[in-house]
Amino acid sequence: RKEVEQDPGPFNVPEGATVAFNCTYSNSASQSFFWYRQDCRKEPKLLMSVYSSGNEDGRFTAQLNRASQYISLLIRDSKLSDSATYLCVVNMDTGGFKTIFGAGTRLFVKA
Amino acid sequence: EPEVTQTPSHQVTQMGQEVILRCVPISNHLYFYWYRQILGQKVEFLVSFYNNEISEKSEIFDDQFSVERPDGSNFTLKIRSTKLEDSAMYFCASSARLTSPVPYTQYFGPGTRLTVL
Repeated sequence: RKEVEQDPGPFNVPEGATVAFNCTYSNSASQSFFWYRQDCRKEPKLLMSVYSSGNEDGRFTAQLNRASQYISLLIRDSKLSDSATYLCVVNMDTGGFKTIFGAGTRLFVKA
Repeated sequence: EPEVTQTPSHQVTQMGQEVILRCVPISNHLYFYWYRQILGQKVEFLVSFYNNEISEKSEIFDDQFSVERPDGSNFTLKIRSTKLEDSAMYFCASSARLTSPVPYTQYFGPGTRLTVL
């Protein structure tokens, strides 16, 4: 089983749509969780951290369910500029600090 | 806004040559990381570094690789004898102290594209 698994995508949605991405992780030593976005051939950029209580940043809402080892990202009112690859990222403290990226879910928002 | 910087942006080298990729992390950060991303594939963890020593490394980070923080500001990744399959984008990242609101939030540099011929 992959350590961090995401919907493979791609997701093709019209502007204004709501889209949800899912992610599961396998290692219970996982401690902190993030969503990053990556534009083509660019570095990952932090979108938001994910807390157990759920958190919202404008049109973006992230949820974490530690019992199910599941993370989600909801994007409301999609914009053309949201087109990117969304990366689920898990940090583990296994005595050292290790970070595992999911393979990413590609989102295309069309006019 | 402080940012992570990396040099060079693109490095072309011959197979078997040594390369050093350079990074300047955000100045008050204490944790440093290297990742690689082969074209079309996912971002892969190579190594984390804290308190002047390797904290964790992946299976990819074999004896050909080494990291160093030579002068308190730069953080380098050395590949001793490059192979064709080392061609990838290499990203450096840094994160702040454990007392940050969300520890280990990593900020990435723009990457160095390494091409091995």
